[in-house]
Amino acid sequence: GQQVMQIPQYQHVQEGEDFTTYCNSSTTLSNIQWYKQRPGGHPVFLIQLVKSGEVKKQKRLTFQFGEAKKNSSLHITATQTTDVGTYFCAGLAAGGTSYGKLTFGQGTILTVHP
Amino acid sequence: SAVISQKPSRDICQRGTSLTIQCQVDSQVTMMFWYRQQPGQSLTLIATANQGSEATYESGFVIDKFPISRPNLTFSTLTVSNMSPEDSSIYLCSVEDPHTSINEKLFFGSGTQLSVL
Repeated sequence: GQQVMQIPQYQHVQEGEDFTTYCNSSTTLSNIQWYKQRPGGHPVFLIQLVKSGEVKKQKRLTFQFGEAKKNSSLHITATQTTDVGTYFCAGLAAGGTSYGKLTFGQGTILTVHP
Repeated sequence: SAVISQKPSRDICQRGTSLTIQCQVDSQVTMMFWYRQQPGQSLTLIATANQGSEATYESGFVIDKFPISRPNLTFSTLTVSNMSPEDSSIYLCSVEDPHTSINEKLFFGSGTQLSVL
């Protein structure tokens, strides 16, 4: 079955440093989504990428979708303490027809030291 | 967006008992999804619940252990039956955003943190 690998599992940064998490799928994806889960909270949708090579920005967050639509990354510039949480990628396999059949990566836990 | 009310938010249960988790959505949605998130782990889809039909379970999950009800388009329940400590986890219901063209964009309930002694 489809697997989505996400690295690193943990990342500790000083406030102001940059942060990147990477996501790799074993199969070609139709789209990829990113979610953020604050400590003690539930996952919250951040963005969806659909097109090969797509790049989207949300303020200090930059999301990329690989040309082969099998990998993605999330980059945060100049982290702040409010960025703390777990970041999940979630991919929908190309040709998938079942709603909700997102495969989640293992998540990257980000801690930011002030 | 969709507002999802999930309860209970947490519970501590004895081995062998059952717990029913409720999920109420403020909009009518075709499908509701139940996920499990074990401590420090990712989200695993348990089943998809459609109104008026049996839920569709993912590999490794069975109806006898996780019976699901979906009586209408805004409500669903998940029961964790005959619990063991291995069932200790966070259980999350989710729905697709009913007001957007973004396919598979999920909204999650606040989760139920279950501890089984």
